[in-house]
Amino acid sequence: GAVVSQHPSWVICKSGTSVKIECRSLDFQATTMFWYRQFPKQSLMLMATSNEGSKATYEQGVEKDKFLINHASLTLSTLTVTSAHPEDSSFYICSATSGGGNQPQHFGDGTRLSIL
Amino acid sequence: GESVGLHLPTLSVQEGDNSIINCAYSNSASDYFIWYKQESGKGPQFIIDIRSNMDKRQGQRVTVLLNKTVKHLSLQIAATQPGDSAVYFCAEILPWGGGKLIFGQGTELSVKP
Repeated sequence: GAVVSQHPSWVICKSGTSVKIECRSLDFQATTMFWYRQFPKQSLMLMATSNEGSKATYEQGVEKDKFLINHASLTLSTLTVTSAHPEDSSFYICSATSGGGNQPQHFGDGTRLSIL
Repeated sequence: GESVGLHLPTLSVQEGDNSIINCAYSNSASDYFIWYKQESGKGPQFIIDIRSNMDKRQGQRVTVLLNKTVKHLSLQIAATQPGDSAVYFCAEILPWGGGKLIFGQGTELSVKP
């Protein structure tokens, strides 16, 4: 149980394009989803918290106009990297939880984004 | 692009030995702690959790110890296997944080056959 699916797993695109990443909870309702960014050999850095039906809350230093987050249903959240540039290349990971702070987060397998 | 950052601490153990991975957490108010295992190219996988009203919790081959006095967590893996090779992260949750995880630096565990 508690499976989170992330798609695509790997994407390469040209500088200036926008890329959408999907995060789905397959067997539970995710009231809250989180988006992280991870550079090689580093820890996960939280980008934003997304509650179903509400606007996402972004961490300090994360541009909300660049990283658009939508959480329209209890099973799907999307992260769109707009006008992506090479410095946006990273490993993006989502997680989902059904119980707020009292339940562990379940993670997707990440999306490797490479911007040429 | 490539980032310049810290290199992960590494722990190398022989297959069959016990492993101990340590973590210092940052906030004395944190009341929930989780250990995650991350294999290369994958997302973190839940291993074991512990709440602040406990100082020890055991799972299958794993034990987590919590020392709130010095804000320290450890993960003990018994009879370490090659499949245990991965990066291990501790994470803390603040009671008022809305479930936000604060991840530690991580430790890379390498198991030699």
